[in-house]
Amino acid sequence: DSGVTQTPKHLITATGQRVTLRCSPRSGDLSVYWYQQSLDQGLQFLIQYYNGEERAKGNILERFSAQQFPDLHSELNLSSLELGDSALYFCASSVDGQSSYEQYFGPGTRLTVT
Amino acid sequence: QKEVEQDPGPLSVPEGAIVSLNCTYSNSAFQYFMWYRQYSRKGPELLMYTYSSGNKEDGRFTAQVDKSSKYISLFIRDSQPSDSATYLCAMSPQGGSEKLVFGKGTKLTVNP
Repeated sequence: DSGVTQTPKHLITATGQRVTLRCSPRSGDLSVYWYQQSLDQGLQFLIQYYNGEERAKGNILERFSAQQFPDLHSELNLSSLELGDSALYFCASSVDGQSSYEQYFGPGTRLTVT
Repeated sequence: QKEVEQDPGPLSVPEGAIVSLNCTYSNSAFQYFMWYRQYSRKGPELLMYTYSSGNKEDGRFTAQVDKSSKYISLFIRDSQPSDSATYLCAMSPQGGSEKLVFGKGTKLTVNP
């Protein structure tokens, strides 16, 4: 158990809908990262937050957004969902904003868009 | 050419074998090199990371980085059935997540 928690474990929704994925980092970690994992693209970095502020952006679509709250938990919002958004979404955390080489991943949320 | 290339396998070995997993990369700016293990339907688990070139050992696992060849390896000695998983390499130019790139993973099966 990495200490990173994610909810929900599974999510099934329809195209065009909006969903929110939630992540709580390890105790003491200030940085949260979001990833998308699909069979064809592998693990893709989406976005990083550090202590409530956006730190880095990866391959995140404009339909996706995230935020980190004062208690350091984070939410990833996915809107106008398409079939291609079906994937595993992982959250990871690290102790600070410069330690991306030592990230701890949560168990993931499996999103299915029908 | 992709920034990080990793043979997807699958790789199947008998228990006790030495396993070699590899990644090549094209970005000479990469300085941090990581290996993750991912069991089916689970999140990736950090095995180890190295900075710049050289070797790092942790139990049965050894990571090697050859920056001159842009080639990194993970060796698993005395492989066990519990090592059966997908192994992901990852790398970044610096400690932050800018340009953090993962390989697509190599699926390993260790047969008892």
